[in-house]
Amino acid sequence: GENVEQHPSTLSVQEGDSAVIKCTYSDSASNYFPWYKQELGKRPQLIIDIRSNVGEKKDQRIAVTLNKTAKHFSLHITETQPEDSAVYFCAARGGGGFKTIFGAGTRLFVKA
Amino acid sequence: SQTIHQWPATLVQPVGSPLSLECTVEGTSNPNLYWYRQAAGRGLQLLFYSVGIGQISSEVPQNLSASRPQDRQFILSSKKLLLSDSGFYLCAWSEGLGELFFGEGSRLTVL
Repeated sequence: GENVEQHPSTLSVQEGDSAVIKCTYSDSASNYFPWYKQELGKRPQLIIDIRSNVGEKKDQRIAVTLNKTAKHFSLHITETQPEDSAVYFCAARGGGGFKTIFGAGTRLFVKA
Repeated sequence: SQTIHQWPATLVQPVGSPLSLECTVEGTSNPNLYWYRQAAGRGLQLLFYSVGIGQISSEVPQNLSASRPQDRQFILSSKKLLLSDSGFYLCAWSEGLGELFFGEGSRLTVL
C-alpha cells in the first residue's frame, strides 16, 4: 500500500522567511496530493492540492511542486507570518481513489 | 452546504470498557466516509473507510470496528478498550474523488 514520508518533523523560521516541507510517496499510481494545516486542538483543513498531471500550483504565498518521476512533492510558504504556525500534513491518494494516506506532519514555528 | 458532526468531543474511559463514536454528514448523498486516528504528536492514521452503506474497509488490525448503518452515518466502536486506543479520532468525508473534510474530532483517553 501507499506510504508517505514527510520531513522535517519540526521547522522553525523567522517571520518573513520561507519554509519548505518535503514529502515522498511510494505508490506510483497515486494521483492526488493534498496539503492540510492543523492548528492546535482543531481539525485539519485543506490549504492546497495538486494532481498528477500538474507539476506546480500556486495560491498567494503557498505553492506546491510535484516530481512524479522521483515521487517527491513539496510545500513552499513564502513571507511566513506568525499565523502560519501550525502542523502541516502532506498526503497522497492512490490509484484506487478512496484512500488518502498522510505523512507524519511537520510542526512549523514562525518567530516574530 | 455540507456539514459534518462528530461526538462526543471528549471521552475518558477505563481499560476494558466499550466505545462508540458517532459521525453524521449533512447536505450530501452517498459520501465516502473515513475514520482516522491521531496519536499525540503523530500523523493521521487511516483506520476505516466506507464507500457505501454496509461497506467497510479496514486498514489496520486492531480491536476497533466501524459500521455504516445509514448513508450519512459512520460509527466507530470497540467492545474492550486498550490503553493504546487513546488518541484523537477524526471522522472525515469526501464526495467522489474530491477533498477530504474533517469533523472536529473526538479526544479519547483510556485510563
